[in-house]
Amino acid sequence: AQSVTQLDSQVPVFEEAPVELRCNYSSSVSVYLFWYVQYPNQGLQLLLKYLSGSTLVKGINGFEAEFNKSQTSFHLRKPSVHISDTAEYFCAVTLSRDDKIIFGKGTRLHILP
Amino acid sequence: ETGVTQSPTHLIKTRGQQVTLRCSSQSGHNTVSWYQQALGQGPQFIFQYYREEENGRGNFPPRFSGLQFPNYSSELNVNALELDDSALYLCASSLAQMNTEAFFGQGTRLTVV
Repeated sequence: AQSVTQLDSQVPVFEEAPVELRCNYSSSVSVYLFWYVQYPNQGLQLLLKYLSGSTLVKGINGFEAEFNKSQTSFHLRKPSVHISDTAEYFCAVTLSRDDKIIFGKGTRLHILP
Repeated sequence: ETGVTQSPTHLIKTRGQQVTLRCSSQSGHNTVSWYQQALGQGPQFIFQYYREEENGRGNFPPRFSGLQFPNYSSELNVNALELDDSALYLCASSLAQMNTEAFFGQGTRLTVV
C-alpha cells in the first residue's frame, strides 16, 4: 500500500523568503507524485506533478519540486513567497493517472508580513 | 471547456438523515472520483465511477453510495448521517485510459448536527 507523510503541519515564513514543504512517500512500486494547493474555502488545484524523466519539476506560481527516489521524497520549494501563497498544500501519490489519489495530511503555509 | 461543478456548495443536515451531493464532470471526462476531506485532514478516497459502474472503493461503509449517469455526471448519497460525516466532499473528474490528471471541483461543505 502507498502512503504519504507531510512532515510539517504548519510552516510560517516571512514574505519574500524561500520555503520548503517536505513530503515523503512509501510505496513498493513506482508511483506518480503530485502537489496540490487548496486556498481557503476552495477545492484543490494541481501545482505540479512528477510522472517520469527529469527529477526537478516546475509548476505554477513559481513552485518547483524535486523527486528523490533513494530518499523517497518529493519536497516542494519556492525561492520567494508572496502573501498570496497562503494556503494548504497537499502532497499526493497515485499508481496511475486515473487511479485513486492518496493524499498527505497537508501543510498550512502561513506567510508573515 | 467547462470545469467540474458541484452542488450544493453548503448544506446542513440532521443526524440520521440522508443526503445527496451532485457533481458535473469536466466536458469530455468519463471518470468521476469522490473524496471526503475532514477538517484539518487530507482528502480520503471514497469511490470512483467509470462508465456508470463503481471502479474502486476506499474504506467507507456501505451507507456511502454513488451513481454515475450516461452524461458522466455523478451523485454521492450518504444514508443515516453521523456527526463524523461532517466534511468537505470533493469530486474529481478525469478521462480514463487517456492519461489525464484529475480535475477537482470546489466541493460541498456538509455539516451534520
